[in-house]
Amino acid sequence: DTEVTQTPKHLVMGMTNKKSLKCEQHMGHRAMYWYKQKAKKPPELMFVYSYEKLSINESVPSRFSPECPNSSLLNLHLHALQPEDSALYLCASSRGVDHYEQYFGPGTRLTVT
Amino acid sequence: EDKVVQSPLSLVVHEGDTVTLNCSYEVTNFRSLLWYKQEKKAPTFLFMLTSSGIEKKSGRLSSILDKKELFSILNITATQTGDSAVYLCAPLPYNNNDMRFGAGTRLTVKP
Repeated sequence: DTEVTQTPKHLVMGMTNKKSLKCEQHMGHRAMYWYKQKAKKPPELMFVYSYEKLSINESVPSRFSPECPNSSLLNLHLHALQPEDSALYLCASSRGVDHYEQYFGPGTRLTVT
Repeated sequence: EDKVVQSPLSLVVHEGDTVTLNCSYEVTNFRSLLWYKQEKKAPTFLFMLTSSGIEKKSGRLSSILDKKELFSILNITATQTGDSAVYLCAPLPYNNNDMRFGAGTRLTVKP
């Protein structure tokens, strides 16, 4: 299995809602990442998990809350988002954090109304 | 401050043409440079370059890194419409995986 999967594919939520994005990989990778990508811009790193521990937090607002329940799963909990948070949220994984290429999932297209 | 500059930002060619995409970087503790292709959604991995002057090839795509001049190029020969995509480069530093992408080159290949 050489795939990173993400659910849901699309999500529309109001500013008062609470929702979660899910990412899964079964490649035995020990590092997982969340990126945010706005239209016509490159992906921007939000969080890095290494061996299920948060190792980099790129000053992301607290309305985004990551969680890594085990080495195969990564969640992103969303609460009280703003319309400007609408974007494609990409998950990626790599064998480790040191010098390995990252493999990306197809993303969740999030719209905040 | 770390910088990644890709050029051109946009390129339109016809099938069969050869293209060269550029990526220059200034990154503290540089270790490797990665190239990705992004069509509609997920960026797909193309190359990881660590050593200067060693060309990596995959079919019609090839890439090389110059660590002295701090740049990399991605070549695509005999382009096809399926090569239409945004090509992203990302330098990877030592000791962490804080990968930051360049703005990308949007390549359009016309029939």
